[in-house]
Amino acid sequence: NAGVTQTPKFQVLKTGQSMTLQCAQDMNHNSMYWYRQDPGMGLRLIYYSASEGTTDKGEVPNGYNVSRLNKREFSLRLESAAPSQTSVYFCASSGWTVGQETQYFGPGTRLLVL
Amino acid sequence: RKEVEQDPGPFNVPEGATVAFNCTYSNSASQSFFWYRQDCRKEPKLLMSVYSSGNEDGRFTAQLNRASQYISLLIRDSKLSDSATYLCVVNHGGANNLFFGTGTRLTVIP
Repeated sequence: NAGVTQTPKFQVLKTGQSMTLQCAQDMNHNSMYWYRQDPGMGLRLIYYSASEGTTDKGEVPNGYNVSRLNKREFSLRLESAAPSQTSVYFCASSGWTVGQETQYFGPGTRLLVL
Repeated sequence: RKEVEQDPGPFNVPEGATVAFNCTYSNSASQSFFWYRQDCRKEPKLLMSVYSSGNEDGRFTAQLNRASQYISLLIRDSKLSDSATYLCVVNHGGANNLFFGTGTRLTVIP
C-alpha cells in the first residue's frame, strides 16, 4: 500500500501561470481533501470530496478548483497562480479506524509562486 | 479567536525528560480530538486519538478536559526521535470539519 501519493513534490511558478496538483490514494477511502499549510497557521482546508462525484468548498477555496476524477484521484488546479498561493499543499483521505474517522496525508507539494 | 490554540514552543528538553503540551479549543460542541506528529518537511501523521477517559500509548498519554476545553499530551522518557512538531486537531463533526493548531515544536537534546 502506497497510501496517499502526490505529484509533483516541488514546483516553481510565475504569477499568472496555471498548474494541477495530483493526488491518489489506494486505501479505498470515500473522502479526500486538499489543505494548505503556511508558517504560523494551522492546516487550512481548501476543498474536500465526500465521495466520488461530489466536491465542496472548505475554508479557503478562492483561486482553486478541484476534480474528483474517480474514487482514487483528487486533483487541485490553480488557474492563475498568485504569490499568496505560495505554500505547502497536502492531500489527505479519510477512513474509519477504531471507531473514529482518521485522515491520512500525502507527502506534500511545495509550491513557490514568483 | 482561533478554533485551536497551542503554545508554539520551542520546547527544548534533555533525553529522558518528561514534557507536556496543552491545547485549547473554542467550540464546546467539538466531538473528537487528536494529536498528530509532523516531522520537518514531512506530512502530519496521526499519533493518537484523545478519548474522554484519557488514554495511553506507551510513553504517550493524552487527556481531554471538556469542561475547560483543553487537551494535553504527556511524553515520558523523551527520546531523540521524539523531536518533531505536535499538532492538536479538533473535529466539530464530520471529517471535513477538522481544525488544526499551529503546532508545538519539541527538540530533545542528547
